[in-house]
Amino acid sequence: NAGVTQTPKFQVLKTGQSMTLQCAQDMNHNSMYWYRQDPGMGLRLIYYSASEGTTDKGEVPNGYNVSRLNKREFSLRLESAAPSQTSVYFCASSEGLVQETQYFGPGTRLLVL
Amino acid sequence: RKEVEQDPGPFNVPEGATVAFNCTYSNSASQSFFWYRQDCRKEPKLLMSVYSSGNEDGRFTAQLNRASQYISLLIRDSKLSDSATYLCVVPTGGFKTIFGAGTRLFVKA
Repeated sequence: NAGVTQTPKFQVLKTGQSMTLQCAQDMNHNSMYWYRQDPGMGLRLIYYSASEGTTDKGEVPNGYNVSRLNKREFSLRLESAAPSQTSVYFCASSEGLVQETQYFGPGTRLLVL
Repeated sequence: RKEVEQDPGPFNVPEGATVAFNCTYSNSASQSFFWYRQDCRKEPKLLMSVYSSGNEDGRFTAQLNRASQYISLLIRDSKLSDSATYLCVVPTGGFKTIFGAGTRLFVKA
């Protein structure tokens, strides 16, 4: 039981490049989330998926797209990376509503030059 | 006013000390609250949840004051392993959750 896994762990991109961050959970959770964490700030929600087949914008969705591939997998895509997207990205999952405990993946550290 | 505010610290305390952190929130409709712990360069992990007036788990006690809109975390008999950043987390409805920026704690021998 691995919980929530994320790939890659680290990535360096040049401005304008694209990439997809992968996330998978094996806890049969309905809801999944993507957050970014920047120094001195709390985690901010980028997108979430309340259940398989649905996705919705969070607090900071601009410059990102997501895909809920199936119940296990939720990917985050940067179509044209910008230096402002340099951050640590965390995927999380929960059984249902966010009022329940969220379980986080180990994070992806992204540097955009 | 930020939706969730925490004293960033750092709090530097000796082993065995008692330390308390406060967190204020602005959404009076919030019903549940969480404290997460985040070690350096790691993911956040749930420490405690608070659904009513408070919760206690061993050396850790979380209290909720709805009238003043704050929650607190008390750590008794601090251990070196308690050194971490403590995140105050306030779900505000639906799927929106507000994370505080965290309070850093250093426990020294």
